[in-house]
Amino acid sequence: DAGITQSPRHKVTETGTPVTLRCHQTENHRYMYWYRQDPGHGLRLIHYSYGVKDTDKGEVSDGYSVSRSKTEDFLLTLESATSSQTSVYFCAIRPGGEETQYFGPGTRLLVL
Amino acid sequence: GENVEQHPSTLSVQEGDSAVIKCTYSDSASNYFPWYKQELGKRPQLIIDIRSNVGEKKDQRIAVTLNKTAKHFSLHITETQPEDSAVYFCAAILNNDMRFGAGTRLTVKP
Repeated sequence: DAGITQSPRHKVTETGTPVTLRCHQTENHRYMYWYRQDPGHGLRLIHYSYGVKDTDKGEVSDGYSVSRSKTEDFLLTLESATSSQTSVYFCAIRPGGEETQYFGPGTRLLVL
Repeated sequence: GENVEQHPSTLSVQEGDSAVIKCTYSDSASNYFPWYKQELGKRPQLIIDIRSNVGEKKDQRIAVTLNKTAKHFSLHITETQPEDSAVYFCAAILNNDMRFGAGTRLTVKP
């Protein structure tokens, strides 16, 4: 499973509260990604990182911010959660020299 | 950005039959096309991929074909088994941006 963990695995929160999801990897991969998965949309890229403190926006970045202060951790923050951000969030890594991305186990987020 | 369309959205086959899932992409510069299988409640898992300089790739009962001119690629599963039941996603990568199709729910009936 490419040494990727996500925490928490499940979270229920209320509209307007901040939420931070964590992706942790153990193999020093440079590239890390955050996706959300919703019925009928497949997976959509939120943000990605190509190194410590180096991040860029993806297709659906509005309402999300990220931080990467250490190689092994990539944090996704919802500054003020909305019901439209109810989703399953997957982190992914891309090993150096490959184009393939490998996914973490996912975090199921419900915003009430 | 890249746009990937996937058909059909659902597919039901009898065990032992073949299944074909088709995807089209919009940007001719896309150069890598992975396929993922996702079982209920699990993470997407890579099952096969193809690069733009290759027309076909096989791995046991799974094959992928790519037509760069038409900008479409397909997943072929032969001799389907109940454990092939899952949601399958195609994707296209351009400049570190991977865009997914909406998925195909494959059901293999015993």
